[in-house]
Amino acid sequence: AQSVAQPEDQVNVAEGNPLTVKCTYSVSGNPYLFWYVQYPNRGLQFLLKYITGDNLVKGSYGFEAEFNKSQTSFHLKKPSALVSDSALYFCAVRDGLRGSARQLTFGSGTQLTVLP
Amino acid sequence: EPEVTQTPSHQVTQMGQEVILRCVPISNHLYFYWYRQILGQKVEFLVSFYNNEISEKSEIFDDQFSVERPDGSNFTLKIRSTKLEDSAMYFCASSVPRDSGANVLTFGAGSRLTVL
Repeated sequence: AQSVAQPEDQVNVAEGNPLTVKCTYSVSGNPYLFWYVQYPNRGLQFLLKYITGDNLVKGSYGFEAEFNKSQTSFHLKKPSALVSDSALYFCAVRDGLRGSARQLTFGSGTQLTVLP
Repeated sequence: EPEVTQTPSHQVTQMGQEVILRCVPISNHLYFYWYRQILGQKVEFLVSFYNNEISEKSEIFDDQFSVERPDGSNFTLKIRSTKLEDSAMYFCASSVPRDSGANVLTFGAGSRLTVL
């Protein structure tokens, strides 16, 4: 079975400061990892993914995420937060093991608030 | 940029009534999905659909639920007899399958269902 945990319901950060949104996962095989963002009254928008290769993945809007296999983590980061980054962030995982279910399993979401 | 379109954006219905939620996936996508998000809870997988049949479904997707692709563009979710606990935001998504299965899902803005 695949699962993902986002331990923080809420993250507050001052504008211009670095931000981190945490995610840990559990799968049987190699993980396929994703971050999505949800703005009010909008659908989930894809930010970035890790499939294989370089552990540091760069995505949209200056976000990046680091895959850490030993810690089974995939934390989302941005060096300098903007007020417009305030939104709900979801981590998602799919097990890359052959024969595993194709659907994504989502975390519970983390509300990021960037304070001006 | 291509979008997944969902209608209605909000539907209020009485318990026991049938509801149909509609989705227009991105035109060259081949996999279609329904997810739901009960207020304050996780985004949960319901069903995936490929080649005109259900490919995977969760335990949530019981006999009260059905999906259909009635023509070349629409993908619908029907709830036969709604219950109070069906109140949620329902998200449609679509993707182009790749050999690795590491496909990015594109989500619609969601349909909010309120069952009274």
